[in-house]
Amino acid sequence: GAVVSQHPSRVICKSGTSVKIECRSLDFQATTMFWYRQFPKQSLMLMATSNEGSKATYEQGVEKDKFLINHASLTLSTLTVTSAHPEDSSFYICSARNLRGTMNTEAFFGQGTRLTVV
Amino acid sequence: AQKVTQAQTEISVVEKEDVTLDCVYETRDTTYYLFWYKQPPSGELVFLIRRNSFDEQNEISGRYSWNFQKSTSSFNFTITASQVVDSAVYFCALRALIQGAQKLVFGQGTRLTINP
Repeated sequence: GAVVSQHPSRVICKSGTSVKIECRSLDFQATTMFWYRQFPKQSLMLMATSNEGSKATYEQGVEKDKFLINHASLTLSTLTVTSAHPEDSSFYICSARNLRGTMNTEAFFGQGTRLTVV
Repeated sequence: AQKVTQAQTEISVVEKEDVTLDCVYETRDTTYYLFWYKQPPSGELVFLIRRNSFDEQNEISGRYSWNFQKSTSSFNFTITASQVVDSAVYFCALRALIQGAQKLVFGQGTRLTINP
């Protein structure tokens, strides 16, 4: 299957700093990327959807100024957690799809990033 | 509403037992896709299966099998002769049109523990 690489896998940062997480599609063009957040022992909650070259669409309740998403190319999307606070500590996971051509392709997921804000 | 319910929060069985993970979904769409993903302790999501709403044929892949019943809106997953390596959290998901966009809606997950 297709490969989506997410980096870093783990990051610890100080409160008030910003953290950037990268999501790369390694062997296909990702027209659309999704960012999810997962709290311990809970399900994945969609944060935002980004289409290459356009602004991300955020889910209700997600602060767009805190979670900056950039999808400047067909192989890279980034999520920046700005002015991180301990409550932002979570597991963040991206997924990527190519929506050109057939619509019935599954989304491929990155390995996830465990963010701890101290 | 688009919703996925996995009523079993945790399941624990002894190795070699068969185990079925339940998934019930709700959607107004006539065309939709159902998925199962495995999330081992390392955290990544491993794709297991995709099924579209027009294909009710059951599927078997090795020790894994899936039972899709549109009449009961269920898409259950059975592991036969379970192994310790099957221990993980399993998510059922529905991809449907939500506010004009195709989105994945996940169930709460079932934590499966296979004991030796």
